Amino acid sequence: KQEVTQIPAALSVPEGENLVLNCSFTDSAIYNLQWFRQDPGKGLTSLLLIQSSQREQTSGRLNASLDKSSGRSTLYIAASQPGDSATYLCAVYSSGNTPLVFGKGTRLSVIA
Amino acid sequence: DTEVTQTPKHLVMGMTNKKSLKCEQHMGHRAMYWYKQKAKKPPELMFVYSYEKLSINESVPSRFSPECPNSSLLNLHLHALQPEDSALYLCASSSRLAGGEVTQYFGPGTRLTVL
Repeated sequence: KQEVTQIPAALSVPEGENLVLNCSFTDSAIYNLQWFRQDPGKGLTSLLLIQSSQREQTSGRLNASLDKSSGRSTLYIAASQPGDSATYLCAVYSSGNTPLVFGKGTRLSVIA
Repeated sequence: DTEVTQTPKHLVMGMTNKKSLKCEQHMGHRAMYWYKQKAKKPPELMFVYSYEKLSINESVPSRFSPECPNSSLLNLHLHALQPEDSALYLCASSSRLAGGEVTQYFGPGTRLTVL
């Protein structure tokens, strides 16, 4: 059974700092991995989707990497802003009946 | 249009009530999903519809009854719920079931409170 772990559970940084969020998964037989953002009480916004054959994806100040063989992904946020404060969820698509398995998320606070 | 809409945004119901949650997308997606999310927890998959047919039911109690009347609509009928069913209910859609270059698009959710 696929399990997804995100470290740290919570992170507080000053504005302008670069930061890295970590995601690990137990079964490397994945199709792809997706990073989401969720604001309190809101739905999920897709940030980046990395296919299993890719190593990284970039969107603006966000860069996500994937090392499938070691079961790891990182989300790099450059020059953080208070508006980046949210919960960031990593989710993995793998084989089996459950198409998407989520980690518990990292709650990010960027302090002005 | 990359939007998934959900109604209502908020719902308060008693344990004897019958209510329905609605989800709609016009992206031509043929896979639609219901998730339940408790506070500070990740979303938990409840149901998956593929081409209007139920393909996954994650052992959800029968007081939750999904329905997919057409390719754009997904309903979740609620009856005799318990207070512990209070949560954010999220709908999502994708072009097909995960297995390749697939992105799930999520709606804003319905905040359900059961009294």
